[in-house]
Amino acid sequence: KAGVTQTPRYLIKTRGQQVTLSCSPISGHRSVSWYQQTPGQGLQFLFEYFSETQRNKGNFPGRFSGRQFSNSRSEMNVSTLELGDSALYLCASSSGTGDNEQFFGPGTRLTVL
Amino acid sequence: QQQVKQSPQSLIVQKGGISIINCAYENTAFDYFPWYQQFPGKGPALLIAIRPDVSEKKEGRFTISFNKSAKQFSLHIMDSQPGDSATYFCAAAHITDSGNTPLVFGKGTRLSVIA
Repeated sequence: KAGVTQTPRYLIKTRGQQVTLSCSPISGHRSVSWYQQTPGQGLQFLFEYFSETQRNKGNFPGRFSGRQFSNSRSEMNVSTLELGDSALYLCASSSGTGDNEQFFGPGTRLTVL
Repeated sequence: QQQVKQSPQSLIVQKGGISIINCAYENTAFDYFPWYQQFPGKGPALLIAIRPDVSEKKEGRFTISFNKSAKQFSLHIMDSQPGDSATYFCAAAHITDSGNTPLVFGKGTRLSVIA
C-alpha cells in the first residue's frame, strides 16, 4: 500500500505571496489532517477534513485554509505569507473512525523570505 | 487543558542502555496516547499507542507505561541502538464515535544513542 504523498517537498516563497500544498492520503483513508511543525512551537494542528468536510480546526488565522476532494486528496492554502509561516507542513492520513491511527507524509518544507 | 508536557528535551544514552521519555497531560478526557518517532527529513511515524484500560503495552523493544491517576505516560526503549537516534513525540487525543479529536503533541525529545 502506498504511503502518504505530499507535494511539493520544498517551496520557497516571498512575503505576501500565497501557496498551495497538496496531500494524497493512503488509499481508503477518508480523513486528512494538517499540522505545522516548527522548532519553537513543535507540532501544531491546523485542520482536519473528513469526507470533504472540515471536521476540526486548530487555532490558526484565517490565512490558513484547506479543502478536500471527493477522492480524499487534500490541499491547504496559505495566503499573504509571513516570515513566521516558514515551517514543515505535515499531512496525516487516517481512516477517520475508531482509533484513527494517523500516518504522516514526509512534509513540505516552506521557506518564506 | 490541552497541553501535553514532555521531558527531557534531549537524551543521550549508551548503546544497550534504556531510554526513558516521560509525558504528562492535563485533559482527563484524553484516552488515546500514541508515540511517534521522527528522523531528520521525514514525517513522524507511529511507534506504539496505548489506551487507558491497560497500564503497560510492549512491542519489541518499545514499552509504554501508563499511570491514569497521575495523568502520566512514558516510553521505554530497551537495549537502545544507534539506529534509535531520532526525535520522539508523545501525543494525546480523545476517541469519539466519529474518530478522535486532533492529536495534541508534546514538544519532542531528541534521543542520541552513542556506541
